[in-house]
Amino acid sequence: ETGVTQSPTHLIKTRGQQVTLRCSSQSGHNTVSWYQQALGQGPQFIFQYYREEENGRGNFPPRFSGLQFPNYSSELNVNALELDDSALYLCASSLIAGGSYNEQFFGPGTRLTVL
Amino acid sequence: GNSVTQMEGPVTLSEEAFLTINCTYTATGYPSLFWYVQYPGEGLQLLLKATKADDKGSNKGFEATYRKETTSFHLEKGSVQVSDSAVYFCALRKAAGNKLTFGGGTRVLVKP
Repeated sequence: ETGVTQSPTHLIKTRGQQVTLRCSSQSGHNTVSWYQQALGQGPQFIFQYYREEENGRGNFPPRFSGLQFPNYSSELNVNALELDDSALYLCASSLIAGGSYNEQFFGPGTRLTVL
Repeated sequence: GNSVTQMEGPVTLSEEAFLTINCTYTATGYPSLFWYVQYPGEGLQLLLKATKADDKGSNKGFEATYRKETTSFHLEKGSVQVSDSAVYFCALRKAAGNKLTFGGGTRVLVKP
């Protein structure tokens, strides 16, 4: 059973650029959540995708957007990058079934640095 | 809104010492409570969880009890090892939903 994988591992961008981060969910999972973890802080919920639609969003501006594909993998896109977007971006996959929310499994993260 | 507060680190201990990390939460209703651990260079791993009041979660020698009267979920381990050095996060999830709300994390360093 393959766990949650993310790519790339590290990324360096400059202010104003756009970035796409990718996440492959664990086999059998249908939900992907994205979190932003600034240095020395706890993860902050960005949004969740379930059945290819956004299903819950945290306090992040619209320049943070995402996609979920039929195979349940997901992308996080950030436009007009700002210095404060520098963080570890974590993806978590889980199974929602019958109204039950099961354990979220996290990937190793993508470290984004904005210069 | 929901929030989680945990003690600031770093916490430095000697091997075989007793570890306590305090965690309190603010939430309406009956959230589920979690402890996650993050080892250097890795993502988060679920350490233990509790879904209702007075439940005790336990794993790898760690324990935490869901105390609704004090809105707390303190993490304890009786005898830590060097391999327990990591950052520990307390988190909650509301009854209806999948969003996790995390505390700021507590770094634990265990010295031999």
